[in-house]
Amino acid sequence: GEDVEQSLFLSVREGDSSVINCTYTDSSSTYLYWYKQEPGAGLQLLTYIFSNMDMKQDQRLTVLLNKKDKHLSLRIADTQTGDSAIYFCAEILYNFNKFYFGSGTKLNVKP
Amino acid sequence: NAGVTQTPKFQVLKTGQSMTLQCAQDMNHNSMYWYRQDPGMGLRLIYYSASEGTTDKGEVPNGYNVSRLNKREFSLRLESAAPSQTSVYFCASTLRQAGTEAFFGQGTRLTVV
Repeated sequence: GEDVEQSLFLSVREGDSSVINCTYTDSSSTYLYWYKQEPGAGLQLLTYIFSNMDMKQDQRLTVLLNKKDKHLSLRIADTQTGDSAIYFCAEILYNFNKFYFGSGTKLNVKP
Repeated sequence: NAGVTQTPKFQVLKTGQSMTLQCAQDMNHNSMYWYRQDPGMGLRLIYYSASEGTTDKGEVPNGYNVSRLNKREFSLRLESAAPSQTSVYFCASTLRQAGTEAFFGQGTRLTVV
């Protein structure tokens, strides 16, 4: 299968920026996604980026894609305690058949 | 406005028992998926159905079977539950096209004792 890798934990203080990183292996990815999972809940889409883009900004969220290094990051500006959750990156390949998810990064925001 | 609905939300089984997890979506999506989530391992694909009438194995299909009953419903069956199948199970669906988003159910927390 495909490898999508993330670090497991990140801890930041409220008001700081958070940067969550992800690497993937398949260069035929078409779209790359960030999902958020709050405790006891399913996954919700935060944002996605098409593989021919370098950057996408959506309010407090900035997604950066380095296609050469197969590296994706999610920056959350002015992180709030409500941002505490697990964040998953995911990719979908050209045939749109399957999503591949990373292991998730647990973001802990300290007051 | 239901999206993806999974039942049940919680279940405790004894080793060797069988059960079926139900999933239904009302978004007219083509593709449906079953994932399991275990701590530190993210989401692992069990089975998926790219379209009505087709099913394919994912990364961890052993011990499971699926049925794509119609376009709306995709069920996951455990014939003889084992403690290693203790997990949180998620059903998801997508349109299976460019820019598509995966919509997830709320999950089924299964414990096998």
